[in-house]
Amino acid sequence: LAKTTQPISMDSYEGQEVNITCSHNNIATNDYITWYQQFPSQGPRFIIQGYKTKVTNEVASLFIPADRKSSTLSLPRVSLSDTAVYYCLVVASYSGAGSYQLTFGKGTKLSVIP
Amino acid sequence: DAGVTQSPTHLIKTRGQQVTLRCSPKSGHDTVSWYQQALGQGPQFIFQYYEEEERQRGNFPDRFSGHQFPNYSSELNVNALLLGDSALYLCASSLGVKLAGHTGELFFGEGSRLTVL
Repeated sequence: LAKTTQPISMDSYEGQEVNITCSHNNIATNDYITWYQQFPSQGPRFIIQGYKTKVTNEVASLFIPADRKSSTLSLPRVSLSDTAVYYCLVVASYSGAGSYQLTFGKGTKLSVIP
Repeated sequence: DAGVTQSPTHLIKTRGQQVTLRCSPKSGHDTVSWYQQALGQGPQFIFQYYEEEERQRGNFPDRFSGHQFPNYSSELNVNALLLGDSALYLCASSLGVKLAGHTGELFFGEGSRLTVL
């Protein structure tokens, strides 16, 4: 399983765009990059997943360069409710019956300041 | 549509005791995995169940065991509890993957907070 490295913490003011970068130098050909958000005493919540280039959904964008050795989660115009821990994961795509596991690191603690 | 539900939400045990945690997956999901999350750490994968069998296992001792029932719900059992087993135990469900190239997305419950004294 590919190891990921991301900043331990980040601070941002409300209304700003936040970019959290994750490095995954030994990502494999069939790996996807996935981001989860976790609030205190709650389970992680899926944010976005991508394989290459750019993926956008209603809450975030994920930018993946051509070499796929890093990725950047972009949160537009953050609010206080975006204060949480954000995890970058590399998930291998498996064939067969339901066989994949997630390996979480320590994540990035984002604090949004009023 | 109910999401992933876990019980109990909180419990306190003493060293050497045994504990059983329960999980009901999101409607339509057939795969359940369990994670242990110590304070300030990311979740650590314990094991995954699909079709009532353990399919994958993380680096946890045999004191940790599980079961999946025909209705896809699951239990996590921990025997001979240690102080270090105090953590938030998370259950996640997903739809079993039968085709290559699809990773899916995991839906997590709120967790069961276990305190071992």
